[in-house]
Amino acid sequence: QQQVKQSPQSLIVQKGGISIINCAYENTAFDYFPWYQQFPGKGPALLIAIRPDVSEKKEGRFTISFNKSAKQFSLHIMDSQPGDSATYFCAAEGSATNKLIFGTGTLLAVQP
Amino acid sequence: GAGVSQSPSNKVTEKGKDVELRCDPISGHTALYWYRQRLGQGLEFLIYFQGNSAPDKSGLPSDRFSAERTGESVSTLTIQRTQQEDSAVYLCASSVTRGTEAFFGQGTRLTVV
Repeated sequence: QQQVKQSPQSLIVQKGGISIINCAYENTAFDYFPWYQQFPGKGPALLIAIRPDVSEKKEGRFTISFNKSAKQFSLHIMDSQPGDSATYFCAAEGSATNKLIFGTGTLLAVQP
Repeated sequence: GAGVSQSPSNKVTEKGKDVELRCDPISGHTALYWYRQRLGQGLEFLIYFQGNSAPDKSGLPSDRFSAERTGESVSTLTIQRTQQEDSAVYLCASSVTRGTEAFFGQGTRLTVV
């Protein structure tokens, strides 16, 4: 019940295209859903986060869509750039778990 | 420093030896997390500290693993009698409190030979 399932495992997108990564959760007590970006040899860094009181949050080219009834949330990267090539992790945290649980990660490659 | 600091950055140890990994969180951050990341894998939760509350140790894989944190300061992760399967990057993160941005350190790459 504390798992966060992420797909796809890897993704190849052409420059300028839209990258979409999906996550699903089961624990309805989760109330904080961040996305992290990790470059090789570095620690993950927060990209964007959402709470369940809104269905969408946009920051620049990055958008989180949140579907509370389906217990799913997704990351959309518009106008994908080669510099976006990295591993992306979704995560969830809530009062019941009191810890940040990560998905398995998506390796994104944006081809020039 | 302004960020989460981990030391050492790299550690090579012989099988069976004990190792201690250190994490200096951002000042004022009450929450501190340890994760393990094997090569090409996701982040495996190990342990969570929140202020002076009892830590959540539910992710520790065996009794060879332990961690301590005094108040809201430095944390140490200790692995006793290291095994080759312990080889991984150990990441530490801190946040102001639960449900806020967690800032990660660069990690300690542990290699057990």
